[in-house]
Amino acid sequence: EVHLAESGGGLVQPGTSLRLSCAASGFSFDDYAMHWVRQVPGKGLEWVSGISWNSGTRGYADSVKGRFTISRDNAKSSLYLQMNSLRVEDTALYYCVKSMGDLYDAILDSWGQGALVAVSS
Amino acid sequence: EIVLTQAPATLSLSPGERATLSCRASQSINNYLAWYQQKPGQAPRLLIYDASDRATDIPARFSGSGSGTDFTLTIGRLEPEDFAVYYCQQRGIWPPTFGQGTKVETK
Repeated sequence: EVHLAESGGGLVQPGTSLRLSCAASGFSFDDYAMHWVRQVPGKGLEWVSGISWNSGTRGYADSVKGRFTISRDNAKSSLYLQMNSLRVEDTALYYCVKSMGDLYDAILDSWGQGALVAVSS
Repeated sequence: EIVLTQAPATLSLSPGERATLSCRASQSINNYLAWYQQKPGQAPRLLIYDASDRATDIPARFSGSGSGTDFTLTIGRLEPEDFAVYYCQQRGIWPPTFGQGTKVETK
């Protein structure tokens, strides 16, 4: 069974940094692209970033481009999201999501429970 | 980027009734559309991908149709556990985008 467990969320001030981690298990992590999707509580879903199985291709939403960096460590079956220059509007629940195939397939077939990031002064 | 517009925003139905949810894309995305279900306090769950393919373990009462710009999710007979928010998502044109959601609530 696929299991995705996010960690690293918290309350931070605007302009600071935070790193989210996602520990994956139950599947061959290095065979699949991975994504981060966020959701403001009570609102809709927003795709944030994705990375191919071998880290060769990465994509970002315009809203986070230049501030967030996605990475992965296949040896540790882990996905990361480095978030710099955080803004109040980055406040959301961040989901770690497995893709059904490669990066541009973007069929999001397994989701973690999310890590809450709150940006406030 | 592709804008997905879902209708209606809220659908009020009774258990046993049929639910029909719409998703319209701002330009053609072929059949590269997925549907997700989200219940309160839970992560989204993939129901349908590529417009009409059911994901693993999804009951047959969930079906999807459409291509190009107009898509439909149909729930044949609503079970109590089907009352939730449903999102469509496209992967036809990068970046992936989501609709704003349709809430299916108990009448």
